[in-house]
Parts: sequence; C-alpha cells; structure tokens
Amino acid sequence: GEDVEQSLFLSVREGDSSVINCTYTDSSSTYLYWYKQEPGAGLQLLTYIFSNMDMKQDQRLTVLLNKKDKHLSLRIADTQTGDSAIYFCAEAGDSNYQLIWGAGTKLIIKP
Amino acid sequence: NAGVTQTPKFQVLKTGQSMTLQCAQDMNHNSMYWYRQDPGMGLRLIYYSASEGTTDKGEVPNGYNVSRLNKREFSLRLESAAPSQTSVYFCASSELGANTEAFFGQGTRLTVV
Repeated sequence: GEDVEQSLFLSVREGDSSVINCTYTDSSSTYLYWYKQEPGAGLQLLTYIFSNMDMKQDQRLTVLLNKKDKHLSLRIADTQTGDSAIYFCAEAGDSNYQLIWGAGTKLIIKP
Repeated sequence: NAGVTQTPKFQVLKTGQSMTLQCAQDMNHNSMYWYRQDPGMGLRLIYYSASEGTTDKGEVPNGYNVSRLNKREFSLRLESAAPSQTSVYFCASSELGANTEAFFGQGTRLTVV
C-alpha cells in the first residue's frame, strides 16, 4: 500500500541549516505537503509542492522533489529556536480525500 | 478567526464509557476529517466527510462513528471506549479534498483507563 517514511528526530545547531527528508511510494501523487506541529497544537501547513515541480523556495524554506527516487526534502535555512517542532510530510495520492502521512520528524535545536 | 474548534481539549474515560468529540469550522469548507495521532505513527484517518451529507471510513474506523450534522459540524463518537483508543484526536477541514490545504483543530487528548 501507499506509505510515507521520515526519520523521527533531527538535531541541528541554531543558525545551521536543517534538512528533513521524506520518501513516499505513490507515484501518482499530485501534491506533497509539509506541515508543522508546535507543542500542544494542531498541524499547520508550512509549504507544499506540486508533482510537476522540482523545487520550491519560500523565504527560509526550500522544498526539493526527486520524482524518480520518490524523495522529498525540506530545508530550513538559518534554523532558529522557533523552528523547534514536529514536521510532517504528507502526500495526496490516489484518493481525492485521504492524505498519506509520515510519522513526523521532531526537529531539536541545540544552542 | 476561530478556524477549526474542537471540544473538549482533555478527557479521561473509563473502559466501556461513551463520549462524543465535537468539531466545528467557520471557513465554509466542504470536507472534514477526524484523525488520531499516536507516537511514532503520524496521523491516521478515522473517518472523513467529503461534503455535507456524506461520510466515509478512513484507515482506522473500528470503534468509532461519525455524524456530519451540517456543513459546519462533524462529530466523532466512541460508543464503548477501550484503552487502545487512548490517543490525541484531531479534527481538520479543507475546502475540497486532499488537494487543498487542511486546517486543524487544537486536538483532544483522550485517555481511556
């Protein structure tokens, strides 16, 4: 079946770049999303990329999509303490209504 | 702007008790969802409602029922709670399906003892 995989933790130093990786299995995905969950809160859309794009940049965020390898990454430049959160990768696959979610990557910022 | 509002925020139930989680959105969205979040497992879809008047099973529907009361409200009912249903529950809505941004409520932390 469809699956999305992510590492559970990533630790980076404040000011460095963070790269969170995600692999997915459904080649028919139309949209791929990155959601952010801060402690005790619901998820919020951070950014997304359409499947016919290779890259999308939005201020400190860069999303790279490698369709051949079914690999998605989120790069956060100049990581700040406010970036501490869990980051979820999700894909819109075969179903019009069901997103397939990764387990989430907890980003830990070291001073 | 309220967005998606869930109640309650916290709940402790005894095994076998029933309860209903309430969810309302004020964005005039067509689609609404109930997820559960468990450590290391991401979000799993319990039920969704593509539009007012329709509901469908998601990945993990057993032990749950839903009602799309109107366009704004989508409730989740546990008829006979079990410890395996201890989880954080999120309601979400989107304008139309998985290709539009989902907006989430703050979550309900449910413990079944």
